[in-house]
Amino acid sequence: DAGITQSPRYKITETGRQVTLMCHQTWSHSYMFWYRQDLGHGLRLIYYSAAADITDKGEVPDGYVVSRSKTENFPLTLESATRSQTSVYFCASRDRDNTEAFFGQGTRLTVV
Amino acid sequence: GEDVEQSLFLSVREGDSSVINCTYTDSSSTYLYWYKQEPGAGLQLLTYIFSNMDMKQDQRLTVLLNKKDKHLSLRIADTQTGDSAIYFCAVTSGGSYIPTFGRGTSLIVHP
Repeated sequence: DAGITQSPRYKITETGRQVTLMCHQTWSHSYMFWYRQDLGHGLRLIYYSAAADITDKGEVPDGYVVSRSKTENFPLTLESATRSQTSVYFCASRDRDNTEAFFGQGTRLTVV
Repeated sequence: GEDVEQSLFLSVREGDSSVINCTYTDSSSTYLYWYKQEPGAGLQLLTYIFSNMDMKQDQRLTVLLNKKDKHLSLRIADTQTGDSAIYFCAVTSGGSYIPTFGRGTSLIVHP
């Protein structure tokens, strides 16, 4: 199916563990983004990417790592999860010539 | 960087019009968006306006842009219970392709 998909939809992990959130898009969009959504903060940009092998930090990158070896995938890794990283994470993609950013369904991550 | 502000809540009666407001800081803003987020779902683009426009209408939705005051609004006519959701204002500025989002406005529609 065409679109942008995130996995898993829900994840519970323990403090200190490494966890990777997956994002896959089928359109070959150049740009991809990771946001976190928290009450009172709206959407905050964690990392973004303009193309394969090009990534850059957003507003709240600490504690996260990304990679983009292929255009269609943009995984987000929490190297050592902390309770403050409990959040809903959204991946989005956008084509160079299109104004619309398309969002995945989100991953609800709970760190206990 | 760009700062986008929205009020957090709006409550309206079914059938009334809703107006959701947004202010932004960067005068070089190019595209201004309204996204809708239903419970448990991702964001979906409702509409957008380019900075050289003052108004855009799309069925029940009317977007007004006041560049002088850096103010964007979304009017929903004949609001229905299915319009209950969080509405996000987002802006891209200058040559940036990265949208900056507001905190979102929770629209509650009651009978």
